[in-house]
Amino acid sequence: NAGVTQTPKFRILKIGQSMTLQCAQDMNHNYMYWYRQDPGMGLKLIYYSVGAGITDKGEVPNGYNVSRSTTEDFPLRLELAAPSQTSVYFCASSLVLADEQFFGPGTRLTVL
Amino acid sequence: GQQLNQSPQSMFIQEGEDVSMNCTSSSIFNTWLWYKQEPGEGPVLLIALYKAGELTSNGRLTAQFGITRKDSFLNISASIPSDVGIYFCAGQVTDSWGKLQFGAGTQVVVTP
Repeated sequence: NAGVTQTPKFRILKIGQSMTLQCAQDMNHNYMYWYRQDPGMGLKLIYYSVGAGITDKGEVPNGYNVSRSTTEDFPLRLELAAPSQTSVYFCASSLVLADEQFFGPGTRLTVL
Repeated sequence: GQQLNQSPQSMFIQEGEDVSMNCTSSSIFNTWLWYKQEPGEGPVLLIALYKAGELTSNGRLTAQFGITRKDSFLNISASIPSDVGIYFCAGQVTDSWGKLQFGAGTQVVVTP
């Protein structure tokens, strides 16, 4: 099993550009999550999904959108990139609620 | 919002020393998780705690779920150079649908 995979690993965007961060898991997990990690801070939840077709906002959803058309994939969309979105983005998945979350390797995004 | 306080922020220790860090919350948690993050990687789960008072070990790591359900600590005994990294606590608040809150992390540096 590859676990949780994320692409790309690094990306530089100009202000106003859009992009999609890809996340996939091959563990048949229902629950998937997107976090951002800023320097010296813990992880902040952006969006999460409890199954295909079901998504909900986390703590910091503004400026982002998600979709979950399959169990495996949970892409994160940035429509109009802003410097405040410069961060490291982690995708995670879990089999059940209140259980360990498995994290991907992260995408480092810089918006200039 | 809810606060999860992790301390210390960083620790510089000599190889062979023991390390202790803790997290406290203003809310009652159902679950406490401890993760380790190495540079350029996603967090990896070290220990999961599910019951108040629970004490769990994983090799040289020991973690406890506080009796009040508002705190947890992690100890690393006889540190070695590969213990270097950022250690995060994470907790699941009652009725939070599996969403985790993360502490800001404790950076551990081990010198020979």
